[in-house]
Amino acid sequence: DSGVTQTPKHLITATGQRVTLRCSPRSGDLSVYWYQQSLDQGLQFLIQYYNGEERAKGNILERFSAQQFPDLHSELNLSSLELGDSALYFCASSAGWGYYEQFFGPGTRLTVL
Amino acid sequence: GENVEQHPSTLSVQEGDSAVIKCTYSDSASNYFPWYKQELGKRPQLIIDIRSNVGEKKDQRIAVTLNKTAKHFSLHITETQPEDSAVYFCAASGNTGNQFYFGTGTSLTVIP
Repeated sequence: DSGVTQTPKHLITATGQRVTLRCSPRSGDLSVYWYQQSLDQGLQFLIQYYNGEERAKGNILERFSAQQFPDLHSELNLSSLELGDSALYFCASSAGWGYYEQFFGPGTRLTVL
Repeated sequence: GENVEQHPSTLSVQEGDSAVIKCTYSDSASNYFPWYKQELGKRPQLIIDIRSNVGEKKDQRIAVTLNKTAKHFSLHITETQPEDSAVYFCAASGNTGNQFYFGTGTSLTVIP
């Protein structure tokens, strides 16, 4: 157990819908990262937050947004869902800035029908 | 931005043999190179990492080497065991936010 929690574990929804994925980082970690892992694909970095502020943006679609709250948990919002958004979404956290190991949560498997 | 390439995409070895996975990166400013192991249906977990001021690092049966001039780094697993079967990801990171750029992964199968 990495100490990073994600809810829900599984999510099944229809095209055009909107969902929210939640992540709670390890106690004391200030950075939160979101990754998308499609079937047989690598880990695509989406976005990073550090202590409530957006710090880095990767290949995140405009239909997706995220935020980190004062208690440091983070939410990833996916809207106007398409079939291609079906994937495993991982959240990771790290202590801070620079050479810090990222600890991954168990992931949320999103299926868009 | 950074681009990390990883080879091979699949690798099968006999139990007890060695396995080598190679990665190249494009951004000379990258200075932290972690390796993650992802077992089927599980989360990625760090197995070893190396910083740019070090050329080699070992941890029991696992070692990583880094060649900054050539911009490549490799994972070496010796005396492989069936439990080493997993997908391995390399990554590169600079000092501008700890953003990881992951390779596309290598699916390692250790045949008993």
